[in-house]
Amino acid sequence: DAGITQSPRYKITETGRQVTLMCHQTWSHSYMFWYRQDLGHGLRLIYYSAAADITDKGEVPDGYVVSRSKTENFPLTLESATRSQTSVYFCASSEFEGVTGELFFGEGSRLTVL
Amino acid sequence: RKEVEQDPGPFNVPEGATVAFNCTYSNSASQSFFWYRQDCRKEPKLLMSVYSSGNEDGRFTAQLNRASQYISLLIRDSKLSDSATYLCVVNMAGGSYIPTFGRGTSLIVHP
Repeated sequence: DAGITQSPRYKITETGRQVTLMCHQTWSHSYMFWYRQDLGHGLRLIYYSAAADITDKGEVPDGYVVSRSKTENFPLTLESATRSQTSVYFCASSEFEGVTGELFFGEGSRLTVL
Repeated sequence: RKEVEQDPGPFNVPEGATVAFNCTYSNSASQSFFWYRQDCRKEPKLLMSVYSSGNEDGRFTAQLNRASQYISLLIRDSKLSDSATYLCVVNMAGGSYIPTFGRGTSLIVHP
């Protein structure tokens, strides 16, 4: 089925561990994004990618690493998880058409860091 | 100052009421504007795009005021099912696509 999927949907980990959140889209959209959502902050952009092998920082990139070797995949890695990274993470994709494009979101990955 | 600002609410309204939300943005070069809806921490979904001329979709009307740098969403004849968080999204940068979200406005429609 076409769409955007995230895995895992739920993850509990401990401080200091490495965690990778996966994101896969089947539309071949050029743009992909990672957001985190916390109460009181709304959705904040962590990293985004305009195409394969092109990534850039968003508003809150510290502590995160991304890669995009294939158009359809955009994994997000927490190199050494901290409690402040407990959050809901949303991946999104879009085809940027001139100045606009609808964002399509995955269902979210709920991460708890103990 | 946050780049995209919304009143978090909650807006508590009875069924059938008309309710309006505003969203202000700081970058005058912003090029595209949207309203998304989010239910109970689920993924956001596009409600409507906002065009310079304004646009309407059933009970929902969106407008853009570039001079004052705000967009608005009007919901007429509110339904219980309209209860959700409404997110304002602005494309902040020219030449690339970096959608920036407001914190969202919570709407609760009660019987």
